[in-house]
Amino acid sequence: AQSVAQPEDQVNVAEGNPLTVKCTYSVSGNPYLFWYVQYPNRGLQFLLKYITGDNLVKGSYGFEAEFNKSQTSFHLKKPSALVSDSALYFCAVRDYPNTGNQFYFGTGTSLTVIP
Amino acid sequence: NAGVTQTPKFRILKIGQSMTLQCTQDMNHNYMYWYRQDPGMGLKLIYYSVGAGITDKGEVPNGYNVSRSTTEDFPLRLELAAPSQTSVYFCASSYSSAGGPVEQFFGPGTRLTVL
Repeated sequence: AQSVAQPEDQVNVAEGNPLTVKCTYSVSGNPYLFWYVQYPNRGLQFLLKYITGDNLVKGSYGFEAEFNKSQTSFHLKKPSALVSDSALYFCAVRDYPNTGNQFYFGTGTSLTVIP
Repeated sequence: NAGVTQTPKFRILKIGQSMTLQCTQDMNHNYMYWYRQDPGMGLKLIYYSVGAGITDKGEVPNGYNVSRSTTEDFPLRLELAAPSQTSVYFCASSYSSAGGPVEQFFGPGTRLTVL
């Protein structure tokens, strides 16, 4: 079965410090991996994706993520956190080709950047 | 481009009433999705469509119906509303890659309360 785990419901980090939001996945085929951000009362916004190629993926707003096949992880990172990064972050996976056109989302991690 | 639009933004229903949540995208995307978001539960897929005239069930389809008569529109119908359908509903669309759908573009959501 396909699944995504975000082991931390809440992450707090001081402004200017590096941040990491964790994601692990379970698929039987090839993982298509995504990170999205959600601000209060808004829809999800796409940040970055891994489909194939370089394991280090760069995305919007200075975020990056590293695909680690052996650890089945796709952690989101940023070298220096901003207060405006405070939001809810979701990891998602599509199990290609096994689950057709469906995506599976984690339960989300609430990031708070403390001034 | 307006992207993905949803109406209404808010709605309160009485138990047993019916309603249709509207979703329109102007990006000519083949894939469209309906999710519900409940606190601490992430996003759960209700229905999806791979093109006009083609729809399929997701994880939690009971109590809902969809249709896709055009590329642009993907309405979600709630019949006989129940308190368990109180949630925030998001519509999303995705373009095609060689391996099928990739990142999704989300609407702003509809907050539905069933009393």
